[in-house]
This record gives sequence, structure tokens and C-alpha cells, in this order.
Amino acid sequence: DAGVIQSPRHEVTEMGQEVTLRCKPISGHNSLFWYRQTMMRGLELLIYFNNNVPIDDSGMPEDRFSAKMPNASFSTLKIQPSEPRDSAVYFCASNHRRTSTDTQYFGPGTRLTVL
Amino acid sequence: SQQGEEDPQALSIQEGENATMNCSYKTSINNLQWYRQNSGRGLVHLILIRSNEREKHSGRLRVTLDTSKKSSSLLITASRAADTASYFCATDAGSGGGADGLTFGKGTHLIIQP
Repeated sequence: DAGVIQSPRHEVTEMGQEVTLRCKPISGHNSLFWYRQTMMRGLELLIYFNNNVPIDDSGMPEDRFSAKMPNASFSTLKIQPSEPRDSAVYFCASNHRRTSTDTQYFGPGTRLTVL
Repeated sequence: SQQGEEDPQALSIQEGENATMNCSYKTSINNLQWYRQNSGRGLVHLILIRSNEREKHSGRLRVTLDTSKKSSSLLITASRAADTASYFCATDAGSGGGADGLTFGKGTHLIIQP
């Protein structure tokens, strides 16, 4: 099992640029979560999907953030335009609603730096 | 705001000693989980305790849960250098089934001195 795959692993961009983070959940998982980790705020849930449908996006900080899950094996988190305060590590996690023990499986994260 | 708050924020002990970390939370929960994060890596699930359980063991890990005090503790026995990491508690207060997002504490950074 390849685990949750995230790309890119590192992204450095300039303020105002569009950033797209990608996630491939574990095959067979039907729930997908996006988290953000910063020193100041710790780990925060941004949005999660069940069966490709967004369920709760109350953690998305601003309209500049958007997330999609066009199919069961792919999700994107987009920031447009990016700002320096968006610098953080972004994690994607997945699990299977009916059979999981509520464990979430995390990807390695994307470290985003906005200059 | 963070649901879980770990205590202490940092802990340094000698290899072979036991490490205890505590977590407090604010609202009713379905379960509480502990995760480990090595530097620069993603989170790895360690153990889950449900709201109707009081204690759970997994290898060198022991977790307790006191719902009346809204608190949990994680004990790592016979610590090893490889246990050096940050440890987070996470609560799931949703409808259950594992499909709800987790609320994490800010973590305890554990350092095991060889």
C-alpha cells in the first residue's frame, strides 16, 4: 500500500501567485481531509470530503482557499492569490468511513512557503 | 480554537525512563486518539480510546481516558531514542463512523536522551 500521496513536497512561491496542492488518498478510502499545521495555530482541519462530496469547509480560512475532489482518487487544495501568512505545512489524510477504526492516515505533507 | 491541549509542551527524559503526556479537551467526544509526528514527517496513528473506555494498552503504550475530567494521558514505558517525536491528542466529536475531521492539540515534544 503506497499510503497517502501528496505533491509537491515543497513549494516556494511569491505572494499573489496561485498554488495548487495535490493529494491521492489510499485506494478504497472514501473520506479525505485537508489539514494545515503552523507553529502558531498547530494542526487545523480545513475541509473534509465523504464520497467526494465536501461535508464541512468551515475551517477554510478565506475565499482565497478552495478544495475539490473530482473523483475518489484525487483531491486538490488551491490558494489564489497566495499570501505570506499562508506559509505552513499542508497535510492530506484519508480513511474509510464504514470499516475504519476512526484512524486517519496522513500523507507526508506539503511545505508551502509564500515569499 | 484547539479542542485538545497537551501538557507538558516539551519533555526531555533519559532512555529507559517512562514518559507521560496529558491532554485535556473541552467538549463531549466519541473517541480520543494519539498521534506521533517525527520531525518533518506526517502524523502516524498510535492508539484510539473510545468514550466508553477507561484504559487501553498497545505494546509500550498505555492510554487512559477520564470523561468526567475531560482528560487523557499517554504513557510510553521503557522509552527509546526512536520515541523522540511530537505527540498529539486528537478528538472526534462528530457523528461517528470515522468520517469527521479531528481536532488536534498543540502537541508535546518528547526528547529521549541516550
